[in-house]
Amino acid sequence: KAGVTQTPRYLIKTRGQQVTLSCSPISGHRSVSWYQQTPGQGLQFLFEYFSETQRNKGNFPGRFSGRQFSNSRSEMNVSTLELGDSALYLCASSLAARGEETQYFGPGTRLLVL
Amino acid sequence: AQTVTQSQPEMSVQEAETVTLSCTYDTSESDYYLFWYKQPPSRQMILVIRQEAYKQQNATENRFSVNFQKAAKSFSLKISDSQLGDAAMYFCAYRRKNYGQNFVFGPGTRLSVLP
Repeated sequence: KAGVTQTPRYLIKTRGQQVTLSCSPISGHRSVSWYQQTPGQGLQFLFEYFSETQRNKGNFPGRFSGRQFSNSRSEMNVSTLELGDSALYLCASSLAARGEETQYFGPGTRLLVL
Repeated sequence: AQTVTQSQPEMSVQEAETVTLSCTYDTSESDYYLFWYKQPPSRQMILVIRQEAYKQQNATENRFSVNFQKAAKSFSLKISDSQLGDAAMYFCAYRRKNYGQNFVFGPGTRLSVLP
């Protein structure tokens, strides 16, 4: 079975631009979560989608948004980029509705904002 | 709010030796999950071991085992017979039960394995 894939792997943007990151979960997985990883703040939860609905949301501003499609693929969007948005963005997928299952992480998208 | 603390930013161990990584957490919940994830330099996070809070028996996975002390809110990871491939960042993580996939991660411990 293929693992979680994320595209693109690397991205360079300038302040004020917007960016869209994509995540394809493991086949059959219906939950997709997004995390931001920075040296200063560590790993922080952004949001989780299950069956095209946002189920959980972390403490990030409204500039960060996401969605999930009927095939469980997910995208996250960051608008009006700031320098502090430079980070590794990790996507993780899991199987079931109750959240009992283990999450499997993708390789991440490294975003650099100049 | 739940928090996870890893008090050892860096540790090193000699190859074939045993090392223990510490993790403490704070929660008012009685039922939850705890995890150790490994992030090698290639950056892909890999699950090492998982513990369910209502299970008193400590989880083990081959050379990896945990010491789960629920009352003390402690969840340490022991790596036996350390190998060069164990070198990585190790993250302790907490998740409430039946609350979706919303992990709270600790800051991580960077483990070096010396040949």
